[in-house]
Amino acid sequence: NAGVTQTPKFQVLKTGQSMTLQCAQDMNHEYMSWYRQDPGMGLRLIHYSVGAGITDQGEVPNGYNVSRSTTEDFPLRLLSAAPSQTSVYFCASRSGFYSNQPQHFGDGTRLSIL
Amino acid sequence: AQTVTQSQPEMSVQEAETVTLSCTYDTSESDYYLFWYKQPPSRQMILVIRQEAYKQQNATENRFSVNFQKAAKSFSLKISDSQLGDAAMYFCAYKDSGYALNFGKGTSLLVTP
Repeated sequence: NAGVTQTPKFQVLKTGQSMTLQCAQDMNHEYMSWYRQDPGMGLRLIHYSVGAGITDQGEVPNGYNVSRSTTEDFPLRLLSAAPSQTSVYFCASRSGFYSNQPQHFGDGTRLSIL
Repeated sequence: AQTVTQSQPEMSVQEAETVTLSCTYDTSESDYYLFWYKQPPSRQMILVIRQEAYKQQNATENRFSVNFQKAAKSFSLKISDSQLGDAAMYFCAYKDSGYALNFGKGTSLLVTP
C-alpha cells in the first residue's frame, strides 16, 4: 500500500533550469494538491486538482504549472527555476473534493535552486 | 484564505510532563474541520487528531487531546506524558466547505529527558 509517492526526494537545480516533480497516488483519490514548505511559513498551497483534466491555482501559483491527465498522477512543473523556489514540496491527496477526510501526504521533495 | 495562527514558534517539555500547543483561527463559517499534524525530522506529515466544529465533545487520541473553544475560535493540542518521540514540528490546520486545507506556521516541540 504505497499511498502518495513523490520523486525525487532531493534535487539541486541551477537558475533557469526546468524540472518536473512527480506525484502518484494509488488510493483512487479525486483531490490532489501541491504545497511548498518554507521555514517559518507553514505549508502553502500551490495548485490543486479535483479530478482528471481539472486543475486550479492555490495561494502561491506563480512559477509553477500542473496537469492532471489521470486520477493517479499530478506532476508539478517548474519552467524556469528561480532561487525563491528553493523549498520543500509536498504532494497530498484526499478522498472527495469537499470531504472532511484527512489528507495523505507524500514524503516531500527538497529542492535547492542555485 | 482563512487565517490559522500558532503563536508559539517553539515549545519545550520534559519527558512525562504535559504540554499544550496553541492555535487560533479566523472564520465566518459555522461548519468546518480542524486538524493537528505532526512533522518529525523525517519530514513526514502525520495526522495526530481531527475535530469537527459541530461536535461539542473534544477529540482525543491516546495521549493527545484538544481543547476546542468554538466561540473563541481556539483549538489547542494537549500532549500528556510526553515522550522523546513526540519531538517534532506541529501544524494546526483548518478546512471548511472549500477545497483548501489552510495551515498555521507551526510550533517546534522539543522534548528533554
